[in-house]
Amino acid sequence: NAGVMQNPRHLVRRRGQEARLRCSPMKGHSHVYWYRQLPEEGLKFMVYLQKENIIDESGMPKERFSAEFPKEGPSILRIQQVVRGDSAAYFCASSPSGWGYEAFFGQGTRLTVV
Amino acid sequence: GIQVEQSPPDLILQEGANSTLRCNFSDSVNNLQWFHQNPWGQLINLFYIPSGTKQNGRLSATTVATERYSLLYISSSQTTDSGVYFCAAAGGSQGNLIFGKGTKLSVKP
Repeated sequence: NAGVMQNPRHLVRRRGQEARLRCSPMKGHSHVYWYRQLPEEGLKFMVYLQKENIIDESGMPKERFSAEFPKEGPSILRIQQVVRGDSAAYFCASSPSGWGYEAFFGQGTRLTVV
Repeated sequence: GIQVEQSPPDLILQEGANSTLRCNFSDSVNNLQWFHQNPWGQLINLFYIPSGTKQNGRLSATTVATERYSLLYISSSQTTDSGVYFCAAAGGSQGNLIFGKGTKLSVKP
């Protein structure tokens, strides 16, 4: 799972700023998933993307959050106008195909909003 | 959607002891995975096991899909086994992996 690369590892933002989290999937994987982990909790699904398509965003907050996976380059999770409640660890996972295939996770981005 | 429950929530072991962690799920699954989250927060894939039995060194796992549970066995535990063990499942009408709340394992020297 070291093949899923996330950056930055740590990100500090002031309230009201924008946060951009990047994820490069494992080689050969075209399916990307974003999860959020609040302190002392399990991971919660946010969004599932394939290249240039959002497949399932049922776990994504309706406002301020967006995700993309362009034809070229990494997947981006974007949080606008961050608030303290957005402080969490954000994990990206990838798989070679869709649901039912083994997913591999990156090391996460720890976002702190001050 | 699918519900995933793990037990016990906390477990303290002496180094060298064996343990069994349980994961119950509420629907048929096409994906079940066990992860170890180490004290640095990294998620390590342990097993992809929607059914059957697998072994990897001191760890093994069994999923009985018809009875909707999976077990993770840790033998001869070491202090480096400490951390949180998560079970995650997908299936039924839920495509994405649903995580349990985890079992926090502490192995004492």
